[in-house]
Amino acid sequence: QVQLVQSGAEVKKPGASVKVSCQTSGYIFTSYGISWVRQAPGQGLEWMGWISVYYGHTNYAQNFQGRVTMTTDTSTNTAYMELRSLRSDDTAVYYCVRDSSGWIFSHWGQGTLVTVSS
Amino acid sequence: QSALTQPPSASGTPGQRVTISCSGSSSNIGSNSVIWYQQLPGTAPKLLIYGNNQRPSGVPDRFSVSKSGTSASLAISGLQSEDEADYYCAAWDDSLNGRGVFGGGTKLTVL
Repeated sequence: QVQLVQSGAEVKKPGASVKVSCQTSGYIFTSYGISWVRQAPGQGLEWMGWISVYYGHTNYAQNFQGRVTMTTDTSTNTAYMELRSLRSDDTAVYYCVRDSSGWIFSHWGQGTLVTVSS
Repeated sequence: QSALTQPPSASGTPGQRVTISCSGSSSNIGSNSVIWYQQLPGTAPKLLIYGNNQRPSGVPDRFSVSKSGTSASLAISGLQSEDEADYYCAAWDDSLNGRGVFGGGTKLTVL
């Protein structure tokens, strides 16, 4: 079965960076894109960006341009999302999702809580 | 502010039929399929229904969708206690550079 398993919770200080991993299994990794979606405490869903696993192309949401980098490792079927210059309002649960095109996010990781606090 | 507008809350009693609306524009709902996600308390969202009432395996047919112009609705018939969750609509947006938009979410309470 399709699974996306994310790395564990992180606590970071303002200004630091965080890199979240998303290990996938159960499907052909290069056949789908990966999007990253975050959810601040008590808030809705916010799309951060997308990466084409096959081509490596990326498309980042304007809010994160210049601060986020999404990559993949096809040898381990793992996707990564790095967010830099963290602020307190970056505290959120970060999800990787298998993107089946047209924003049909068919499978979600379990989420990674990133807490930014001094 | 989300590009798609949903009511913040909805409620119903067991067995009732409830609907959740999602309003957008000609560039998103007006020209693309609407996707709905369900987020049970403390869990990751999951794909609930999309397109022409296409449901992933395991999603009961009590959930259905409709669309008219730039608005869409999710209907839940025979409401059950386990349906208590947050529901998000989403749609591809032709006016944005390769991305879609989410609604702000609707918290459904089963009374």
